[in-house]
Amino acid sequence: GQNIDQPTEMTATEGAIVQINCTYQTSGFNGLFWYQQHAGEAPTFLSYNVLDGLEEKGRFSSFLSRSKGYSYLLLKELQMKDSASYLCAVRDGDYKLSFGAGTTVTVRA
Amino acid sequence: DADVTQTPRNRITKTGKRIMLECSQTKGHDRMYWYRQDPGLGLRLIYYSFDVKDINKGEISDGYSVSRQAQAKFSLSLESAIPNQTALYFCATRGGEETGELFFGEGSRLTVL
Repeated sequence: GQNIDQPTEMTATEGAIVQINCTYQTSGFNGLFWYQQHAGEAPTFLSYNVLDGLEEKGRFSSFLSRSKGYSYLLLKELQMKDSASYLCAVRDGDYKLSFGAGTTVTVRA
Repeated sequence: DADVTQTPRNRITKTGKRIMLECSQTKGHDRMYWYRQDPGLGLRLIYYSFDVKDINKGEISDGYSVSRQAQAKFSLSLESAIPNQTALYFCATRGGEETGELFFGEGSRLTVL
């Protein structure tokens, strides 16, 4: 199974940068995902990392270190609409996806 | 219209009642999943299906059953609902793409009194 840890809450100011860390322990690894979930809505896919390094997609970047069991999601130039929960998820060798509890990010004006 | 549709979106029921949550998709994906979401616990996998003839238990399948009626339809049943099954339930699909991200339905909020 998976053990996935991420902070419960983070607060940042509009225009700033926030980094959400995720650590995991897994019996098999086949990729790490980040999803965004606005309150009362479905999760939507943000990023995918399977090799070590940084993946950049616009204002969002995601980093993976497989040897350390560590990932982060970096949100730049924060906007009010970025207030949401961010879910770290790890896919195991059987292609099952396990989710962390999520990090609620609040962006303040 | 949503690619992954769940019905009902909201349901209040009583302990002991049988409940069915339905999911249909127009994405043509073979793989379908049922998750439940509880505050502070994240999404937990209940059942998953890789095709019509392949159904597998997830980490919290006790008290639930599923039916894959067709490639596009995957239903979740609670044979005898209990209050700790009060949660937000999500259906999701996955295609065969390299990343294999999940596409979620809008969720079904179930309250068991």
